Amino acid sequence: DAGITQSPRYKITETGRQVTLMCHQTWSHSYMFWYRQDLGHGLRLIYYSAAADITDKGEVPDGYVVSRSKTENFPLTLESATRSQTSVYFCASSVEGATEAFFGQGTRLTVV
Amino acid sequence: GQQLNQSPQSMFIQEGEDVSMNCTSSSIFNTWLWYKQDPGEGPVLLIALYKAGELTSNGRLTAQFGITRKDSFLNISASIPSDVGIYFCAGLYYTGNQFYFGTGTSLTVIP
Repeated sequence: DAGITQSPRYKITETGRQVTLMCHQTWSHSYMFWYRQDLGHGLRLIYYSAAADITDKGEVPDGYVVSRSKTENFPLTLESATRSQTSVYFCASSVEGATEAFFGQGTRLTVV
Repeated sequence: GQQLNQSPQSMFIQEGEDVSMNCTSSSIFNTWLWYKQDPGEGPVLLIALYKAGELTSNGRLTAQFGITRKDSFLNISASIPSDVGIYFCAGLYYTGNQFYFGTGTSLTVIP
């Protein structure tokens, strides 16, 4: 199906483990984003990418790593998960210069 | 980072009532957006506003871009149960394609 998809939808991991959240879009949008959603904080930008091989930090990048070797994929890695990274993670994409970001369905991550 | 404050944080209203919510920022934005998030889903764009003072409608929804460019307002008329969800404002600068989101307003509609 066309659109933006995230996987997995749900993930439970242990403190200290590495975990990767996947994001794939079929629109060839140049921009991709990772947000985390926490109660009382809304959506906060973790990292974004303007094109393949170009990434930049957002508001809350600490503890996260991203890569973008292909336009359509933008994985987010937690190198050593902590309980404070328990959250719902959203991937989004947009065309350069656009005023709309399209969101995936989210990944609910629990770090125990 | 940019701070976008939404109010109220939550609302409980009777079906048929009108709803008003607003979003204020410490910074000026070139575009204001309003999104709705249904439970278990990602946010979906409702309305986009592109210039100060602009008033735009989408069905029962009306949004305004504040004259100071630091605020925006969303009104929902004659609420229905499917209006339930979290409403987010978002501000966008022309450059960088960075969307900054507000803290959200949770809406509950009581039939």
